[in-house]
Amino acid sequence: DGGITQSPKYLFRKEGQNVTLSCEQNLNHDAMYWYRQDPGQGLRLIYYSQIVNDFQKGDIAEGYSVSREKKESFPLTVTSAQKNPTAFYLCASSKGLATDTQYFGPGTRLTVL
Amino acid sequence: AQRVTQPEKLLSVFKGAPVELKCNYSYSGSPELFWYVQYSRQRLQLLLRHISRESIKGFTADLNKGETSFHLKKPFAQEEDSAMYYCALRDSNYQLIWGAGTKLIIKP
Repeated sequence: DGGITQSPKYLFRKEGQNVTLSCEQNLNHDAMYWYRQDPGQGLRLIYYSQIVNDFQKGDIAEGYSVSREKKESFPLTVTSAQKNPTAFYLCASSKGLATDTQYFGPGTRLTVL
Repeated sequence: AQRVTQPEKLLSVFKGAPVELKCNYSYSGSPELFWYVQYSRQRLQLLLRHISRESIKGFTADLNKGETSFHLKKPFAQEEDSAMYYCALRDSNYQLIWGAGTKLIIKP
């Protein structure tokens, strides 16, 4: 099913390398989000964007960066400064920030070797 | 501190039995609460929200402000209900605060 796509599904990275996770949506949504999911924990917000060319830090933004140059795209870069990057990353979007329904992508599992 | 607690990591019930997935929250304002569900090999998706007071797939959830709870209930479980369920609270900045999730297994 379309809507929100994330690539790749699995990603392996060596320590010290930056890596970028892709998130694209064709739902014409203004708001987009990046979450991190670790075993036994709920989703935690990394960054969110309410509109093109604007984004805000979430609860755990350290070691991550994002850009929002196009409405459809919200890539997440996991930098070498992120101390524990191995996790499952979920991208989501919603019509607006105040809209209650978020639509999720399939996720990317990042493993740092 | 704002927090959502789902006390059960795993809940296993027989088909046809009632199901109750617990969710408790800590929030100083007027909460907006949601249940999201993830079926096997599917994406996380919204199941229901307290504000609409709807029943989806036979599930209901009532906000109890006195007990700060938003438990998800279904009177007769079906095998297709097996999934991971997450309770979430939306704060005043419109951000979702998530519980750790409960894995529901429906035994035949």
